[in-house]
Amino acid sequence: EVQLVESGGGLVKPGGSLRLSCVTSGLTFSKAWMSWVRQAPGKGLEWVARIRDMTRGGTTDYAPPVKGRFTISRDDSKMTFYLQMNSLRIEDTGVYYCSTDVPVTDWGQGTLVTVSS
Amino acid sequence: EIVLTQSPGTLSLSPGERATLSCRASQSVSADYLAWYHQKPGQAPRLLIYAASNRATGIPDRFSGSASGTDFTLTISRLEPEDFAVYYCQYYAISPFTFGPGTKVEIK
Repeated sequence: EVQLVESGGGLVKPGGSLRLSCVTSGLTFSKAWMSWVRQAPGKGLEWVARIRDMTRGGTTDYAPPVKGRFTISRDDSKMTFYLQMNSLRIEDTGVYYCSTDVPVTDWGQGTLVTVSS
Repeated sequence: EIVLTQSPGTLSLSPGERATLSCRASQSVSADYLAWYHQKPGQAPRLLIYAASNRATGIPDRFSGSASGTDFTLTISRLEPEDFAVYYCQYYAISPFTFGPGTKVEIK
């Protein structure tokens, strides 16, 4: 059974930074492409970023609203991937889900990020 | 970037009724890369359909998907109490992997 457990959410001021982590189990992590998806309060789903496996150079894709501010990365030795979020804006507030690659079959429980002064 | 439009915004139905949800793409897309999810309050989404018409593991056969050009349809043949939720489509051929705005299926 695949399990994904996020951590690192919290309250941060506009312009601040946070790093989310997602610890995985039950999957062949080294071969897995992974994504982050977010959901603003009371709103719909928004795909944020994806990282490929290291045989493909760990290359990444980003949604336009976060490109240049967020960085997705991975540590295969820890079966963990990350989302470094810089220059945070109020509109980045929401629940952040780590997930397997699209189409998403496995999701974490989500971690809440609140950007507010 | 592909834009997905879902209709209706809200669907009010009774258990046992048939639900028909629509997802329209802003330009020609491949049906091989269209997925449907549903999400219940306080829970993560769940994949229902991938490649427009293939049920994900463990999804009952009352859920079916179809495609015609830029129009995609999710049909729930007979609504069960656990099916009342928000439904999203997603196109995942090329980044950004946009979701539609969602259709809420509520109890009438």
